[in-house]
Amino acid sequence: GIQVEQSPPDLILQEGANSTLRCNFSDSVNNLQWFHQNPWGQLINLFYIPSGTKQNGRLSATTVATERYSLLYISSSQTTDSGVYFCAVGRGSARQLTFGSGTQLTVLP
Amino acid sequence: EPEVTQTPSHQVTQMGQEVILRCVPISNHLYFYWYRQILGQKVEFLVSFYNNEISEKSEIFDDQFSVERPDGSNFTLKIRSTKLEDSAMYFCASSGGTGKGGELFFGEGSRLTVL
Repeated sequence: GIQVEQSPPDLILQEGANSTLRCNFSDSVNNLQWFHQNPWGQLINLFYIPSGTKQNGRLSATTVATERYSLLYISSSQTTDSGVYFCAVGRGSARQLTFGSGTQLTVLP
Repeated sequence: EPEVTQTPSHQVTQMGQEVILRCVPISNHLYFYWYRQILGQKVEFLVSFYNNEISEKSEIFDDQFSVERPDGSNFTLKIRSTKLEDSAMYFCASSGGTGKGGELFFGEGSRLTVL
């Protein structure tokens, strides 16, 4: 099956700093989503981005499908950004997602 | 905004008991899924369901598990004869509405603890 690798596995920032999270995948995809898992375990949709660039407030994401990677940018980080960020991909006619292992982000006040 | 809802939010059961987790997907969605996440690990696909039948399932989804759409709104996951290693967060998801057909939306999860 498709492999999804996220880096870094852990990231600690001071409030106000910027960060870039990376997701590499091993095969072509037609679905790519970024999620934030909050401390209560909920998976919050951030971006549906099989290709191209999107922005939502302080967050933006870019997927370069031909090079099999996606980046999530967080600017001016806040303590509420803490949690685990997951990248998940899907390919072909199968609609299920394969998740990466996540990046654990801690934003310190 | 439409959302996927799951019940119960937390269930504690004894090893060997049967558990049913319930989900109400987003109303105009056509594809339904169950995922699980063992504490501290990544989210794993269990099964997808479309047109009243299983469309894909993972190796995890063995005979111990079953899914059903008993009516027009609910989607259930049944776990028979639970084991300690079934303790996990179980997420329901749906996709396939108009517009962003491929985007999956997840419920808040049902935490299962097997004692």
